[in-house]
Amino acid sequence: DGGITQSPKYLFRKEGQNVTLSCEQNLNHDAMYWYRQDPGQGLRLIYYSQIVNDFQKGDIAEGYSVSREKKESFPLTVTSAQKNPTAFYLCASRPADTDTQYFGPGTRLTVL
Amino acid sequence: GNSVTQMEGPVTLSEEAFLTINCTYTATGYPSLFWYVQYPGEGLQLLLKATKADDKGSNKGFEATYRKETTSFHLEKGSVQVSDSAVYFCALTPYNQGGKLIFGQGTELSVKP
Repeated sequence: DGGITQSPKYLFRKEGQNVTLSCEQNLNHDAMYWYRQDPGQGLRLIYYSQIVNDFQKGDIAEGYSVSREKKESFPLTVTSAQKNPTAFYLCASRPADTDTQYFGPGTRLTVL
Repeated sequence: GNSVTQMEGPVTLSEEAFLTINCTYTATGYPSLFWYVQYPGEGLQLLLKATKADDKGSNKGFEATYRKETTSFHLEKGSVQVSDSAVYFCALTPYNQGGKLIFGQGTELSVKP
């Protein structure tokens, strides 16, 4: 099956700990994106990458970091510098020849 | 700047009622416009899109027309079902900005039998 996988679905961490969220796609898409969703709000862009080994900050990059070492993978690290990390995190990917993004199932992060 | 504004929810309808969810946008150039749907606890699914003025996107009985003169992309469905209950997001992709999406705040739809 082709698609975007995010793991785990639920993640709990203690305050002050860094945590890495996984995003993998086997669609051969070039671009990948990370969004954050808070209750009753739209999605906000954290980081995005259009090619391997390159990425750009989105609108709310502070306290987050990413890497893009492989085309299939775009992990997001939520650092202890992120002041309010509890949220639903969504990864998306997009092929080069369209402007349509396809989303993974999301990871709900709760920081205790 | 670029932004999307949706009508506030929640919207509650009876089955077979007509649905309209308003969406207006602000953008430079000619963005592509999208409607995505999110079911509880899940990611977003593309519902429909339109890439230029006067284009109509349609899928599963839902329709939206790209109106440049009113900068709108309202979502409509003639007869909703209980299974349409979800959160609907209007979004745009600004021209030449890496394909990123800018979302409205979402509109929750609840359809009662």
